[in-house]
Amino acid sequence: GQQLNQSPQSMFIQEGEDVSMNCTSSSIFNTWLWYKQDPGEGPVLLIALYKAGELTSNGRLTAQFGITRKDSFLNISASIPSDVGIYFCAGHHTGANSKLTFGKGITLSVRP
Amino acid sequence: DAGITQSPRHKVTETGTPVTLRCHQTENHRYMYWYRQDPGHGLRLIHYSYGVKDTDKGEVSDGYSVSRSKTEDFLLTLESATSSQTSVYFCAIRKASGEYNEQFFGPGTRLTVL
Repeated sequence: GQQLNQSPQSMFIQEGEDVSMNCTSSSIFNTWLWYKQDPGEGPVLLIALYKAGELTSNGRLTAQFGITRKDSFLNISASIPSDVGIYFCAGHHTGANSKLTFGKGITLSVRP
Repeated sequence: DAGITQSPRHKVTETGTPVTLRCHQTENHRYMYWYRQDPGHGLRLIHYSYGVKDTDKGEVSDGYSVSRSKTEDFLLTLESATSSQTSVYFCAIRKASGEYNEQFFGPGTRLTVL
């Protein structure tokens, strides 16, 4: 099945640094979602984006819906140790029964 | 908190035995989903439901069946478990209506098939 591209698989940053990650697709999506998953838990929705070019913030997190509708970006500013986890992107096409397509996730490590 | 519980949270079973996982929601959402999560594959959709008794297959449905006799419960059954079905299983609900597809996940069930 179709997958969204997230790379690299792992990122290592120093506490206090900003980090950016992106998600790309060969097809257009109408919704982009970003999730975070802590070890042993289910993914938690961070940000949802519905319009091309839209920029949305949630605390230290900012996400953008790419203008081409084939990509999305997530930025985390001033990272802290609890930002550690796996970050997934997901895209949705139009249609009530349309399913989400997920990226494989990026594992973020934050060094104190 | 999307009001989703999954049971059991952990299960170890033997090859060839039937297994049923339960997802329960408290908010009467129409859409419910079952995913499996494996290293290197991310989240993959097994089956989903768009109403009581209305279900459809996802991308990895072979070896799985589902049932939804009540809005609040969505059951995933492995008729004869195999080692390849060792995985973490997540249930999700779709909260918004119309074209929006924000999904919220349960805590997961870790299944080991020996």
